[in-house]
Amino acid sequence: GNSVTQMEGPVTLSEEAFLTINCTYTATGYPSLFWYVQYPGEGLQLLLKATKADDKGSNKGFEATYRKETTSFHLEKGSVQVSDSAVYFCALSDQSVNYGQNFVFGPGTRLSVLP
Amino acid sequence: DGGITQSPKYLFRKEGQNVTLSCEQNLNHDAMYWYRQDPGQGLRLIYYSQIVNDFQKGDIAEGYSVSREKKESFPLTVTSAQKNPTAFYLCASSMKRAVTEAFFGQGTRLTVV
Repeated sequence: GNSVTQMEGPVTLSEEAFLTINCTYTATGYPSLFWYVQYPGEGLQLLLKATKADDKGSNKGFEATYRKETTSFHLEKGSVQVSDSAVYFCALSDQSVNYGQNFVFGPGTRLSVLP
Repeated sequence: DGGITQSPKYLFRKEGQNVTLSCEQNLNHDAMYWYRQDPGQGLRLIYYSQIVNDFQKGDIAEGYSVSREKKESFPLTVTSAQKNPTAFYLCASSMKRAVTEAFFGQGTRLTVV
């Protein structure tokens, strides 16, 4: 079946440091890939997405590129801020004839950014 | 504004009680999902529904029940058979026939007292 693996953290960085959170996936078809962010006590918010190979998703300074050859979708940001402290989830979705969309989430990576 | 509304935000349950968590969406999405999140853990799928009057068990359906009588609503009942119900519950919805993102509610935190 489909699966998503990501570094579990926690990741602790100083403000303005470079961020990379690795994400790799296993899928039988051609999934769409997503990064979600969760702030304490809240639901998940979509951060960025990519729907086909070599697509780059970007938002709020975060970027991730859909790499089919390495089955990866690593999240990067050049300069993190304290307000970026949250849990980040990598996810994929594909579609089956019988059951529509199927979402699979990674375990999440907690990021703490220190001033 | 379109979105997903979960209520209540906090819920307390006594041992042996059934409780129902509400999830309503006005995004005109066909598909709806319920996930459970435990502290420091990822999301586990409880139930999902791709169309009105139809739903499927997810990975951890035991002790839970759902209904999908209206497109907009997908309530989750946590029954007394669920032995460890204390968790954060998230409802989500998505379009069915396109591979697009899921939209999430703000969650309900359920605590057994």
